[in-house]
Amino acid sequence: DTTVKQNPRYKLARVGKPVNLICSQTMNHDTMYWYQKKPNQAPKLLLFYYDKILNREADTFEKFQSSRPNNSFCSLYIGSAGLEYSAMYLCASSVGLGSAETLYFGSGTRLTVL
Amino acid sequence: AQKVTQTQTSISVVEKTTVTMDCVYETRDSSYFLFWYKQTASGEIVFLIRQDSYKKENATVGHYSLNFQKPKSSIGLIITATQIEDSAVYFCAMRRYNQGKLIFGQGTKLSIKP
Repeated sequence: DTTVKQNPRYKLARVGKPVNLICSQTMNHDTMYWYQKKPNQAPKLLLFYYDKILNREADTFEKFQSSRPNNSFCSLYIGSAGLEYSAMYLCASSVGLGSAETLYFGSGTRLTVL
Repeated sequence: AQKVTQTQTSISVVEKTTVTMDCVYETRDSSYFLFWYKQTASGEIVFLIRQDSYKKENATVGHYSLNFQKPKSSIGLIITATQIEDSAVYFCAMRRYNQGKLIFGQGTKLSIKP
């Protein structure tokens, strides 16, 4: 089973309110990623966990938080949503940091902030 | 800095023909991995094919093949005998050896017409 599951599929949030997105994988992958995808743009890496170590991109460091309570689960947390956070959020997992192995992506959560 | 560029915003071809999508990348590394992904209408991102930088042979999987030109930092995707269901957005991506980050290009929208 090469499935990465994301919940919910669609999420509506109000400006200024927190948002929590969930991702799970059962492949025992050591690395889990969160990407943000906006229309007509490349998927942008927000952060990733290698085992229990969190790596956040410098330009989104203060905007997103994450937790990984166990190997299978990873969450993406937005403390105070702004209109600019409206996007598709893609979770992915892989084996090994920087290996030749591909990333497996979930179906995404489409976040709309109003 | 690492960068991946796909200059073709959209391509339209007739079914059963061959199409080539371009991708160029920037890196100072000698070892890296190059990937092509497909984003379906539902938003799911699916891995298609990979090229390891140290391999001279072009990768081939099914009706997907790559045109790897390392001196030109170019990795083109070739789809032969295209089918209607090949219609999607195609992303080129690069990953440095021993680095977790997968960097994407902006994507090329492929439309296959009957």
